[in-house]
Amino acid sequence: GQSLEQPSEVTAVEGAIVQINCTYQTSGFYGLSWYQQHDGGAPTFLSYNALDGLEETGRFSSFLSRSDSYGYLLLQELQMKDSASYFCAVNPSYQLIWGAGTKLIIKP
Amino acid sequence: DTGVSQNPRHKITKRGQNVTFRCDPISEHNRLYWYRQTLGQGPEFLTYFQNEAQLEKSRLLSDRFSAERPKGSFSTLEIQRTEQGDSAMYLCASSTGTAGQPQHFGDGTRLSIL
Repeated sequence: GQSLEQPSEVTAVEGAIVQINCTYQTSGFYGLSWYQQHDGGAPTFLSYNALDGLEETGRFSSFLSRSDSYGYLLLQELQMKDSASYFCAVNPSYQLIWGAGTKLIIKP
Repeated sequence: DTGVSQNPRHKITKRGQNVTFRCDPISEHNRLYWYRQTLGQGPEFLTYFQNEAQLEKSRLLSDRFSAERPKGSFSTLEIQRTEQGDSAMYLCASSTGTAGQPQHFGDGTRLSIL
């Protein structure tokens, strides 16, 4: 089968750094994507890793290890507006297979 | 670029009725996707189009569901004889033609079955 696992909830303090892990098991693999979704909103694209290593975009970074079927999203200098659900998703083909999401709770 | 547009935003209907949702993708995107999302879960893939061709369908897409993209631009998703279990957010996304390119999502249509 195809599955992605990520923690259901993470709590952090404003200004801190948080890492959200994702492990996957899929029949094919083009890359690992990360999306952010606020309550009641649409998923918005954050980052994409097709090759091993770290991709950095502003306060957000994403890492992939294809040999370990593992990736993570790193959020730095957390702001209250970062409170949302974060989803990892894998392309086994053109569709996306999604994890159940990690709810990020940020405390002042 | 006005983004992906979906309508209606909300649909409330009685069990057994038919409903149709519309999605207008970003104009230069040739791929269009439909997903379904329930509370506390990630989106589940339903189907996708490349231009007007429907290339992949999930097992979730029972015979009560049908999707079209007649001219390779907007798409419709129809659910016939709705059931309680169809209550969900229906999301549409579009992307360019390369695998791995980000999918851009609309705000979704929330369907509630009474």
